[in-house]
This record gives sequence, structure tokens and C-alpha cells, in this order.
Amino acid sequence: GAGVSQTPSNKVTEKGKYVELRCDPISGHTALYWYRQSLGQGPEFLIYFQGTGAADDSGLPNDRFFAVRPEGSVSTLKIQRTERGDSAVYLCASSLTGTSGYNEQFFGPGTRLTVL
Amino acid sequence: AQSVTQPDIHITVSEGASLELRCNYSYGATPYLFWYVQSPGQGLQLLLKYFSGDTLVQGIKGFEAEFKRSQSSFNLRKPSVHWSDAAEYFCAVVPSGYSTLTFGKGTMLLVSP
Repeated sequence: GAGVSQTPSNKVTEKGKYVELRCDPISGHTALYWYRQSLGQGPEFLIYFQGTGAADDSGLPNDRFFAVRPEGSVSTLKIQRTERGDSAVYLCASSLTGTSGYNEQFFGPGTRLTVL
Repeated sequence: AQSVTQPDIHITVSEGASLELRCNYSYGATPYLFWYVQSPGQGLQLLLKYFSGDTLVQGIKGFEAEFKRSQSSFNLRKPSVHWSDAAEYFCAVVPSGYSTLTFGKGTMLLVSP
């Protein structure tokens, strides 16, 4: 079956611009996660949705970052006034539920964001 | 502070030789433990996981890992490395009561002929 998909695969933007990154989870997965992977680092948690609501957004670095999941399926990560330090690979993952660590998170291929 | 440490940034192993990648964690209670592999241009793939029970865990692609509570370690092993194993390997944890993964910085495995 189809895995987690993310679009675009690459995004180049200029400092100060607004960007949207999209994640399509595996059908039927109620939990969705966003992570950010900077060069030479492991992925870092940003935000986690259970259904339509953000269950934990403690990883969002500042108020320029926002994510939505209005129908409990597709999610969009939105970054306002991008900065060069936002350049990274943004990873999305989904799992059947998010109520415990027992449910494997399946990762998408990521979106590589480059801010010039 | 709670953390996941992978002390080796790079490791080079000859094809056919054995492999051990180190992972240590610092958490009050034993978290759920995972190893992921990331190949160039590929997403993260789960190799194996430990929740409880038998401390030696078998995973995919011939990998295994051993949980040692006394050392707060969860080292990944493979008896004979293949060239296709060259990739970056991440140790990760889910702390008790949470659902999100915390990753180490990764170890890049290079396989020499």
C-alpha cells in the first residue's frame, strides 16, 4: 500500500518568504508527526497530531512555525518569514494511534527546504 | 538532562566484518528504544525496537540489539556487514508516557571492500 508522502520533495525560497509543506499520511493512521532534521543531526520533534488536534506542539521553535490537520488526514506545516536557519529536511511520520510508543511511526521521504 | 548519545559519528567496517554501533540514553525510567536506518534519498526505516522482556532483540536485515539496563545502553550489532548496509543509523527513544521520538545524532556507517 501507499506510504507516507510529502510534497514538495525540494523547496528553495528566499529569506522572509512564506512556505507550506504538505504531508499525506498512511490511510487510517490517526497520529501524525512532524520532525526537522538539520545537517549532521538526528531528527528533532516539532509537533504531533492526534486526529485533527495538536496533541503536543512543544517542539515548534517559535511562532513563525504553525501546522494544521483540518480533516484528520493531510497536514500542512507552515513557516512564516523564513530564515536561513530554517534550512533543513522536514520529515513527516504517521502511526495508527499516538497513545503510546507501541505504534510504529512510518516516515515519509521528507521535504528539503533551502532558504537563501 | 534527558538525552540519547551515539558516541561515534562515523564508523568504517570491512565488508564481511562484524559491526557494533553504540547508543546510550539518560532517562529516569527505561524508555522504549529503537534503531532506525536512513539511506541517501530514503526515508527512515525501523530496524528494531525494545519495549520490555528479552533483552536481545532481533530486527530486519540481520540486525540485532542488546538492552543493558545497568549501562543504559542499547547497542546495535550485525555479525557480517554487507556493502548495502552503508547508511546512517539513528538510535531513538520514546520516554515513558510520551508518544514522540527523541533521536541521537546518528552514526554514519561506511563499508570498505
